[in-house]
Amino acid sequence: EAGVTQSPRYAVLQEGQAVSFWCDPISGHDTLYWYQQPRDQGPQLLVYFRDEAVIDNSQLPSDRFSAVRPKGTNSTLKIQSAKQGDTATYLCASSRDKDTQYFGPGTRLLVL
Amino acid sequence: AQSVTQPDARVTVSEGASLQLRCKYSYFGTPYLFWYVQYPRQGLQLLLKYYPGDPVVQGVNGFEAEFSKSNSSFHLRKASVHWSDWAVYFCAVSHNMGYKLTFGTGTSLLVDP
Repeated sequence: EAGVTQSPRYAVLQEGQAVSFWCDPISGHDTLYWYQQPRDQGPQLLVYFRDEAVIDNSQLPSDRFSAVRPKGTNSTLKIQSAKQGDTATYLCASSRDKDTQYFGPGTRLLVL
Repeated sequence: AQSVTQPDARVTVSEGASLQLRCKYSYFGTPYLFWYVQYPRQGLQLLLKYYPGDPVVQGVNGFEAEFSKSNSSFHLRKASVHWSDWAVYFCAVSHNMGYKLTFGTGTSLLVDP
C-alpha cells in the first residue's frame, strides 16, 4: 500500500510570494489533514476534510491560507503571501474515518 | 482545552539501557492518547495508541506506554534501546479517537553507542 505523498519536498520563497503544497492521501482514506510544524515544535492542525468537505478550518489563517480537496482525494494547501513566520514543515496526513492518521514526509518551507 | 506537555526536550541513553519518555496531558473527560515517532526527514509514524481499557499499551519495536488517570500521564517505555531508536518522539491527545490531534513539543532521543 502506497503511503501519503507530498510535493514539493522543499520550498524557498521571498516574503510576499505565493506557494502551493500538494498531498496525495492513501487510497480509500476519506479524511485528510494538514498540519504546520514549526522547527522544534509539535505539529499543529490547520484544517481537515472528510471527503471534499471542510470539517474544521478554525486554525487556518484564512486571510492568506487556503485549502481545497475538490474530488475528495488529492488536496492542495496554498499560501497567498508568505511571511517569515510561515517558515515550517507542512505535513499532510490521512485516515479512514477516525482511525489512525498516516503522515506524509512533509514539505519544508523557508521564507526569507 | 486539551493539551500535552513533554517536559524533557532531549534525553540521552546508552544503547541497551532502558528508556522512559514522559508525557503529561490535560483533558476533561476520557482522553485518547498516542505516541508518534519522527525519524530525520520523514513523517510521523504511530508507535502506539490508547483507547479506554487496559492502561498498559503495547506498540511496535518493543515500545509500551502506561496510562495513569490519577497522574494525568502517558509515559513511553522501552526495556532496551537500540541505536535505530534515535529520533524525535511526540505524545498526542484527542477527544474524538483520532480527529484533531493535539501534540506535545516532542522529546529528542539520542542514543550513545
